[in-house]
Amino acid sequence: SQKIEQNSEALNIQEGKTATLTCNYTNYSPAYLQWYRQDPGRGPVFLLLIRENEKEKRKERLKVTFDTTLKQSLFHITASQPADSATYLCAMGGSSGGSYIPTFGRGTSLIVHP
Amino acid sequence: NAGVMQNPRHLVRRRGQEARLRCSPMKGHSHVYWYRQLPEEGLKFMVYLQKENIIDESGMPKERFSAEFPKEGPSILRIQQVVRGDSAAYFCASSPGVAGEGNEQFFGPGTRLTVL
Repeated sequence: SQKIEQNSEALNIQEGKTATLTCNYTNYSPAYLQWYRQDPGRGPVFLLLIRENEKEKRKERLKVTFDTTLKQSLFHITASQPADSATYLCAMGGSSGGSYIPTFGRGTSLIVHP
Repeated sequence: NAGVMQNPRHLVRRRGQEARLRCSPMKGHSHVYWYRQLPEEGLKFMVYLQKENIIDESGMPKERFSAEFPKEGPSILRIQQVVRGDSAAYFCASSPGVAGEGNEQFFGPGTRLTVL
C-alpha cells in the first residue's frame, strides 16, 4: 500500500535561515502533492499544491519541489521567522492505483529560534 | 465568508455514550471530508460526502460510526457506544470541488473528543 514518510524529528533552525522539510513516498505515483501547515490545537491550513508535471512551485517565501523519480518532495521556507514554527504536513493523491482523497503524512515539526 | 465551523470544540463522553460532531462547510462548498487525528499521528481519512450522499466511507469503521450531510444543515459524524480508543481530534474539511483533483481543502478547528 502507499506510504508517505515525513521526518518525525523536529527541525530546529535559526531565524533567517532556510528550512527544508522532506516528504518521501513509496508504492504510489500521485497526480499531485500538497503542503499544509498545522498549529497546535488548530486545523491544517493549505499552503501549496504541485502537480506531477511540475518540478517546482513558489509562493512568497515558500518553495516546493516534486521529483517523481526520487519519489520525493522538498518544502523550503526561506528567511525563516519564529512565526513559521508549526507542524508541516504533506498530502498526496489523485492518481490511479491510489486514493483520490488526499493521504496525509504525519508531519514534521519546525521550530525557528530567534 | 466564514470558514469551516465545527462544534463542539471539546466533547467529553463516558464509555457507551453517543458522540455527535457537527460540521458546517464554507459557503458554496458541497464536498465535505471527515478526518481523525491521534497524537503523533497523521490525519486519517474517514469519510467523504456530498449533499445527501456518502461518496467514500472506506476509512470509517464499519461499526458504531456513521456520517451524514443532509440537504439542509450541517454534516454530522456520529459515534455510538464510544470507547476510550475513540478519543482523538476529529477534523472536518470542505472543498469547492473534488479533493481528488487537487482542490484545496479548508479545515475546521476540529472537535477534541475525550472518552472517560
